Amino acid sequence: AQRVTQPEKLLSVFKGAPVELKCNYSYSGSPELFWYVQYSRQRLQLLLRHISRESIKGFTADLNKGETSFHLKKPFAQEEDSAMYYCALRTADRGSTLGRLYFGRGTQLTVWP
Amino acid sequence: DGGITQSPKYLFRKEGQNVTLSCEQNLNHDAMYWYRQDPGQGLRLIYYSQIVNDFQKGDIAEGYSVSREKKESFPLTVTSAQKNPTAFYLCATARGTGELFFGEGSRLTVL
Repeated sequence: AQRVTQPEKLLSVFKGAPVELKCNYSYSGSPELFWYVQYSRQRLQLLLRHISRESIKGFTADLNKGETSFHLKKPFAQEEDSAMYYCALRTADRGSTLGRLYFGRGTQLTVWP
Repeated sequence: DGGITQSPKYLFRKEGQNVTLSCEQNLNHDAMYWYRQDPGQGLRLIYYSQIVNDFQKGDIAEGYSVSREKKESFPLTVTSAQKNPTAFYLCATARGTGELFFGEGSRLTVL
């Protein structure tokens, strides 16, 4: 069965420190992974996806199929990074290319000044 | 202004009453989704629809119903059969890339 695990419910770091939000997944097919972010009083929005292999707001995430992980990293955290972060796995439905997303339980990141 | 509109933002309901949450989009996206967000539980999928007049159950569909009569609209009804309806409900749409776009959410409180 498909599953996304974010082991840390809360994570706190000081400004300028490195940060890593962990995400592990379980899926027998070819995974497509995403990170979504929800800042205070804002809508949930896409941060990045593994297919694009890009860096957004200094964040990167590498898909490690051997370890079934998709950890989100940033070398120098900023106060404005404080938010709820969700890891998500997309699976394909039969006859559909859009499929559905499975979300982890989320990690609340707090960056202290 | 393009986007996803959920209404109402806050809703109170007495036990035993059905309530319908509205979700409208003008992004011309084919797929629409309803998620329930509870603290510590992440987002759980209630129902989703890939095309008009078709929808599928998600992981927690019991006590909920939906319809998709128009591409722009995907209303969610929380019925009296839902045992724990107090929650934050999120509607989302998706385009071909699979990226989800979310509404601002509706908070339902059962008194």
